[in-house]
Order: sequence, then C-alpha cells, then structure tokens
Amino acid sequence: KQEVTQIPAALSVPEGENLVLNCSFTDSAIYNLQWFRQDPGKGLTSLLLIQSSQREQTSGRLNASLDKSSGRSTLYIAASQPGDSATYLCAVNSGNTPLVFGKGTRLSVIA
Amino acid sequence: SQTIHQWPATLVQPVGSPLSLECTVEGTSNPNLYWYRQAAGRGLQLLFYSVGIGQISSEVPQNLSASRPQDRQFILSSKKLLLSDSGFYLCAWTGRADGELFFGEGSRLTVL
Repeated sequence: KQEVTQIPAALSVPEGENLVLNCSFTDSAIYNLQWFRQDPGKGLTSLLLIQSSQREQTSGRLNASLDKSSGRSTLYIAASQPGDSATYLCAVNSGNTPLVFGKGTRLSVIA
Repeated sequence: SQTIHQWPATLVQPVGSPLSLECTVEGTSNPNLYWYRQAAGRGLQLLFYSVGIGQISSEVPQNLSASRPQDRQFILSSKKLLLSDSGFYLCAWTGRADGELFFGEGSRLTVL
C-alpha cells in the first residue's frame, strides 16, 4: 500500500530565502506525482504535475523534482515571498488507484 | 476551459439532519470524480470516487453516501448527520490523459 510522507510538517523562513519541501513515497511504481498548494479555508490548487518518465517540472519560482528509484520528490521555491505562505501537499498516483496524499508542510514566510 | 463548482460553501446543520453537497464539472466529459474530507489537523481522506454514471466506489464505511446521476454531477449525502461528520469537504476531478487532479473550493460543514 502506497504511503506518502512530507517532512517537515511546518516550516518558517524569512522572506527572500530559497527553500526545499520534501515528499517521500514507499512504492516507486508510480504514474505521476502532483504538488498542490492550499490556503486556509480553501480548496487545493495544482502547482506542478510530474509524470513518472520526467525528472523535473518548473513553473515560475517553483521547481519540482522526482527520483522514482529513491521514492523522493522535492519542491524548490526560489526567493520566497509572504504570499507563498500556505500548506503544500504532494500526492502520488499509482495508476489504477486514487491519489495518495501526504499530510502537507505548512509554510510561513516572514516579511 | 474546465471548471469545477461545489456548493454550498458553508453549512451548519444539527445532528440527525440530512445532508446534500453538490459538485459539477464543466468543460469536459466522462471525468473521474472524487469526494474528500479534511478534518481539522488531519490529512485528506478519500471518501468516494466515481469513474462513470452510477459507478461509485466507497473508501471508508460511514453514514455518508454518494451518487452520480449525470456525467458531470457528483452528490454527497447523508440521511442523519453525526457530530463526527463535521469537516471540510472537497470535490475533485480528473479527466486528462496525464491524470492531473483539480479541486473545487470546498464546503465547510459544521454539525452541532
């Protein structure tokens, strides 16, 4: 059974810092991996989708990498801003089963 | 472009009352549809998913049920709410070949 872990559970950084959020999964036979952002009281917004054949995806200041063999993905946020404060979740799609989510990392960027 | 609508956004209901949350997707056909619940301080819990009209898979036993009367409509229901049903309910869909999942804005349910 696929399990997804996100470390750390919470992170606080000063504005302007580059940071990395981690996601690990137990079964490397995945179809894709998706990173989401959730603001308080809101739904999840898709940030990046990485297919199993890809190593990374980039969108603006965000870069997500995938290492299937080691069961890891990282979300890199460059030059963090207070507006980046949110909970970030990763989810793994193993194909014929629904996505499995991590519990998220709550990020606070301090001005 | 595709959009997902979910309502009501907020709901306060007494214990024992019925529930109906509705979700519709526009701009696509034959999507896979999902209901998740997010309780305070906990992760996302998949409740139901559907791959087609009338096809519902349940992930957890509970007093909730789901129905899919039309291709792009997904309804979450309960005949009698419990206090433990309080939470944030999220509808989601996927239909693209790459499997990207999209969420609605959520419905916050408080059972008193």
